[in-house]
Amino acid sequence: DTGVSQNPRHKITKRGQNVTFRCDPISEHNRLYWYRQTLGQGPEFLTYFQNEAQLEKSRLLSDRFSAERPKGSFSTLEIQRTEQGDSAMYLCASSVQGAGGNTGELFFGEGSRLTVL
Amino acid sequence: SQKIEQNSEALNIQEGKTATLTCNYTNYSPAYLQWYRQDPGRGPVFLLLIRENEKEKRKERLKVTFDTTLKQSLFHITASQPADSATYLCALGSGGGKLIFGQGTELSVKP
Repeated sequence: DTGVSQNPRHKITKRGQNVTFRCDPISEHNRLYWYRQTLGQGPEFLTYFQNEAQLEKSRLLSDRFSAERPKGSFSTLEIQRTEQGDSAMYLCASSVQGAGGNTGELFFGEGSRLTVL
Repeated sequence: SQKIEQNSEALNIQEGKTATLTCNYTNYSPAYLQWYRQDPGRGPVFLLLIRENEKEKRKERLKVTFDTTLKQSLFHITASQPADSATYLCALGSGGGKLIFGQGTELSVKP
């Protein structure tokens, strides 16, 4: 399968613990995005990378959240000191930026569902 | 602040009818708009893209319109089938990279 891969698919943790999610994008895609989605809502933008550079981070994103894409390939999203309000589906997507800018489709993974007890 | 609103209520239609979903936005000037389909527990899947200078796009049974004066997009599924039942998301982009999504509309097509 050459689509976007996310791990783990499900994570249950206790409040205060740290969690890390991994995303492997489609290999030739230079852009990688993280979104968060709660029940009944659309995906909420968190951050995105072009190659290894983090180009934008949501102003709503707590300092407990950090994302990396060290070699411009896979990415990790870490949440420190988790809170119950962090419970959500964390979606990763990738795309290709063309010479004319980025209007291309996002290819999403199946998501990592986080439950904070 | 930027705001995107889709049909707040779930849409229930009979098989064979045309489903029409709306996407309205405020405080935003998108360069393009995209529609995605999302099934329960799955990631969104891209359906169509329409640019600000385009009025209409078609793909098989799907049609999208984009009115930048009304700040509205309409998404039509003709000859709907039970397999079309899903949540449909509209998303706006300005060419800078990120997409901003609406909350989605749940469509249910009854046989």
